[in-house]
Amino acid sequence: EVQLVESGGGLIQPGGSLRLSCAASGFTFSDYSMNWVRQAPGKGLEWISYISSSSTTIYYADSVEGRFTISRDNAKNSLFLQMNSLRAEDTAVYYCTRDVHSNYYDSGRYYPADYFDFWGQGTLVTVSS
Amino acid sequence: AIQMTQSPSSLSASVGDRVTITCRASQGIRNDLGWYQQKPGKAPKLLIYAASYLQSGVPSRFSGSGSGTDFTLTISSLQPEDFATYYCLQDYNYPWTFGQGTKVEIK
Repeated sequence: EVQLVESGGGLIQPGGSLRLSCAASGFTFSDYSMNWVRQAPGKGLEWISYISSSSTTIYYADSVEGRFTISRDNAKNSLFLQMNSLRAEDTAVYYCTRDVHSNYYDSGRYYPADYFDFWGQGTLVTVSS
Repeated sequence: AIQMTQSPSSLSASVGDRVTITCRASQGIRNDLGWYQQKPGKAPKLLIYAASYLQSGVPSRFSGSGSGTDFTLTISSLQPEDFATYYCLQDYNYPWTFGQGTKVEIK
């Protein structure tokens, strides 16, 4: 059974740092890209970061670029999010997601498709003084 | 960044109703769109990927259509367990962006 379990959330003062972890099990972690998605209280979903299976490709949302760092340890089946210079607007539940790379057929050719087929239960980060 | 605009932001419907939610992209995204369902206090769940492909295990009353900039999620006969918030997500290019969500409530 695929499981993603986030940890590391909590209450942190503005300007502080926090490191989130996501422990993966039930699948070959090193075969999959991963993402972090967050959701502020009562708000919608926001994708914030992507890391490829071998860590060679990384992307960030503009809202966290330069402050957050995504990483992974395939030997330990773990995904991380180092969050620095935290702001009140970073308050959210943070989810890790498994990313599936697939293909779909349309108009005579195949195109790449990406989707999040498994999500963790989330960990709450509250940035407040 | 590509903007995803969902409509309506909320709707009220009865069990058995046919429900349609739309998502419009600010530029063409081929079929690179997924739909997710989220219930209160829970993580989102994948329903549809590549605009129209039903994720394994998802009931066939859910369907997706569209291409380019305009997409639709349809629930053919609303069930009690379908009352939730639905989000579209474009995976055409980074940064991936979600729609603002559509809350489906009981009438």
